[in-house]
Amino acid sequence: DAGVTQSPTHLIKTRGQHVTLRCSPISGHKSVSWYQQVLGQGPQFIFQYYEKEERGRGNFPDRFSARQFPNYSSELNVNALLLGDSALYLCASSLFGDSSGANVLTFGAGSRLTVL
Amino acid sequence: EDQVTQSPEALRLQEGESSSLNCSYTVSGLRGLFWYRQDPGKGPEFLFTLYSAGEEKEKERLKATLTKKESFLHITAPKPEDSATYLCAVQAGAAGNKLTFGGGTRVLVKP
Repeated sequence: DAGVTQSPTHLIKTRGQHVTLRCSPISGHKSVSWYQQVLGQGPQFIFQYYEKEERGRGNFPDRFSARQFPNYSSELNVNALLLGDSALYLCASSLFGDSSGANVLTFGAGSRLTVL
Repeated sequence: EDQVTQSPEALRLQEGESSSLNCSYTVSGLRGLFWYRQDPGKGPEFLFTLYSAGEEKEKERLKATLTKKESFLHITAPKPEDSATYLCAVQAGAAGNKLTFGGGTRVLVKP
């Protein structure tokens, strides 16, 4: 079975540009979350979507946006890139996305973004 | 605000030398504490979920335990293939399935 797939795996952008990262969840999973991981640190929560609705947003500027499509795949968009946006962007999917119980998140391999 | 702190930041072990990693947490309404393993350049790989104080779970050379304030990941007789970064995270309150991660512990096991 395919796990969480992300594309592209690596990309290089310059300051001020825009980037779109894509994520396909595990088949049957209805929730997708995005995390930013700077080198040497733990992942930081950016967004969660469940059943195509935003269910949570982390402490990131409005330059970051996301959406979930009817097939439950997702896109993360970042505008006006800054050097500090260089990081590994992780997508995670889970069967459910509500606040009942503990939901295990399965992570993809990530998209490595370098901003020059 | 949920907080998770892991110690030590890095750990160098000889093969067979058992040790423990610590994860201290402050949350309101813990729903689950998670341990993940992350290899360089890859996404975190799920290891365990612990739900309540006193719970323990084992997988091969790894054993995770939970108290009301912290969790431990014990590595028994580690092998070089256990070298990785181990991440602790919590899910709490009404924040959907948001995970709050600690900074991780980088473990290097030398043969």
